[in-house]
Amino acid sequence: AQSVTQLGSHVSVSEGALVLLRCNYSSSVPPYLFWYVQYPNQGLQLLLKYTSAATLVKGINGFEAEFKKSETSFHLTKPSAHMSDAAEYFCAVTNFNKFYFGSGTKLNVKP
Amino acid sequence: EAQVTQNPRYLITVTGKKLTVTCSQNMNHEYMSWYRQDPGLGLRQIYYSMNVEVTDKGDVPEGYKVSRKEKRNFPLILESPSPNQTSLYFCASSLQQRSHEQFFGPGTRLTVL
Repeated sequence: AQSVTQLGSHVSVSEGALVLLRCNYSSSVPPYLFWYVQYPNQGLQLLLKYTSAATLVKGINGFEAEFKKSETSFHLTKPSAHMSDAAEYFCAVTNFNKFYFGSGTKLNVKP
Repeated sequence: EAQVTQNPRYLITVTGKKLTVTCSQNMNHEYMSWYRQDPGLGLRQIYYSMNVEVTDKGDVPEGYKVSRKEKRNFPLILESPSPNQTSLYFCASSLQQRSHEQFFGPGTRLTVL
């Protein structure tokens, strides 16, 4: 069975500071991994995806994530937070037909 | 404009009254899926469809039905809604299941009294 764990339901950073959102997964076969962002009252948008190519994946809005098989992790980072990054972020995994999402991390960016 | 549409966006109903939430995509996507979002639980997959007439259960299918008679439409049916189905529902589609980006609809907020 697959599962996704996101550590920290709320993360708060100052504008300009490093953003680090954690995601660990379990999967019996090589997974495909995704990060999605949800702004208030909207659906989800894809930030980036890992599909067994490069382990460091770059996404939109300056975000990137690194796939580490030995740690079963896919943490999301951004060097410098912007106020517009305030949103909820979801990590997801799939390997067959189903998708599994983490419980989400709300990112607050302080001025 | 490429999009996934859902209707209605908001719905308040009573226990036991059958309802259907429609989902339509205009991108010729093969894969479609329904999720429910609850606070602290993230998104959980209800049903998915690999193509026309091919549907299967996700993680939380109890109390829901789906059908895929046409490629573009994937309605979610609650035959006898109960209060524990009060939630925010999202429909999503992607070109293929595994490696492709899912496009999400705007969501349907359902309240069952």
